[in-house]
Amino acid sequence: DTGVSQNPRHKITKRGQNVTFRCDPISEHNRLYWYRQTLGQGPEFLTYFQNEAQLEKSRLLSDRFSAERPKGSFSTLEIQRTEQGDSAMYLCASTAGGQQPQHFGDGTRLSIL
Amino acid sequence: QQQVKQSPQSLIVQKGGIPIINCAYENTAFDYFPWYQQFPGKGPALLIAIRPDVSEKKEGRFTISFNKSAKQFSLHIMDSQPGDSATYFCAASEAGTALIFGKGTTLSVSS
Repeated sequence: DTGVSQNPRHKITKRGQNVTFRCDPISEHNRLYWYRQTLGQGPEFLTYFQNEAQLEKSRLLSDRFSAERPKGSFSTLEIQRTEQGDSAMYLCASTAGGQQPQHFGDGTRLSIL
Repeated sequence: QQQVKQSPQSLIVQKGGIPIINCAYENTAFDYFPWYQQFPGKGPALLIAIRPDVSEKKEGRFTISFNKSAKQFSLHIMDSQPGDSATYFCAASEAGTALIFGKGTTLSVSS
């Protein structure tokens, strides 16, 4: 499968714990995006990278959230001190360039107990 | 402020019908308008996309109509099938940056 891969698919954690998600983009795609989707809503933009550089962050990305893309390949999204409101599907997308279609992974569903 | 407004929220059609989903946008700098299909537990999958220099685009049974002056675009699904039952999202972006999504339309196609 050469699509966008996200792991884990589902994460259950207690409030206050830290969690980390991983995204492996389509090979050779230099742009990588993170979105968050809550039930009954469309995806909302969090942040994106071009290669290893983080170019934009949404206001939704509080200081408890951090994303990295070392070496411009896979990316990780970490949430520290999780809160109930962090429960959502976290989606990753990649594209070959700014004007090219974004292809999404199947997401990581985060459930906060 | 919601930059992309999508309607209706839900839609029920019979097999063979032509569901139409509408979106309106506010930012005239948007230059890319895709439609995504999403099944439960899956990520959004790109269906078809259009740029503002084109008024209509067809790919298989899916057609986008685009009205730049009205700042509206719509998705038509020809000869709809039960397998088309899913949630559909319109989106827009400017210069290859983040996609701004509508709230989605849940389509049910009855056999």
